[in-house]
Amino acid sequence: KNEVEQSPQNLTAQEGEFITINCSYSVGISALHWLQQHPGGGIVSLFMLSSGKKKHGRLIATINIQEKHSSLHITASHPRDSAVYICAVNPTPGGGGADGLTFGKGTHLIIQP
Amino acid sequence: KAGVTQTPRYLIKTRGQQVTLSCSPISGHRSVSWYQQTPGQGLQFLFEYFSETQRNKGNFPGRFSGRQFSNSRSEMNVSTLELGDSALYLCASSLVGTSGETQYFGPGTRLLVL
Repeated sequence: KNEVEQSPQNLTAQEGEFITINCSYSVGISALHWLQQHPGGGIVSLFMLSSGKKKHGRLIATINIQEKHSSLHITASHPRDSAVYICAVNPTPGGGGADGLTFGKGTHLIIQP
Repeated sequence: KAGVTQTPRYLIKTRGQQVTLSCSPISGHRSVSWYQQTPGQGLQFLFEYFSETQRNKGNFPGRFSGRQFSNSRSEMNVSTLELGDSALYLCASSLVGTSGETQYFGPGTRLLVL
């Protein structure tokens, strides 16, 4: 079983829709990261969370440490938001997870005009 | 500030050869981590270096090694290449590499092993 599970794997939506991507993890963590990867490979860090909620522009990320769950929301989605969104966690030492960042498989998001 | 740079960007090798990839972190960043990305396994952590010392290592065979220099630049080496080593290799840098830090990724080196 993967330590980090994302859903959905693929998501196609119309421009303007509200998007939610979910991430669940099974180990103790010290931080959770949301990353964006465009075709061509470059990865951009969107958020780093250890509790609560963060907002940047049209993007909102939340985390519930007790439930081991995080969500990434995109409001007023736009075709330029089309990318792969990856959830990654920093397992706490001795918390049962691997060393270093542990990644989900990613969510492929396509926003159609 | 210049971002994280990786060289080369693309590389083709044959089985059995070895390869060295280079990563220059953002100025002032002392932690460099390396990751492998394949279609089947996704992103996986290889190792992390801080102040010229390997601080963490992922679950990869000993053919994968790395080092960091006094200027924080890092190299990773893969010896005796196998077809399955074909992947995008990404490095990321951060100030001190704690779990509470944002990581800044380079553009990656795409390695094809024939």
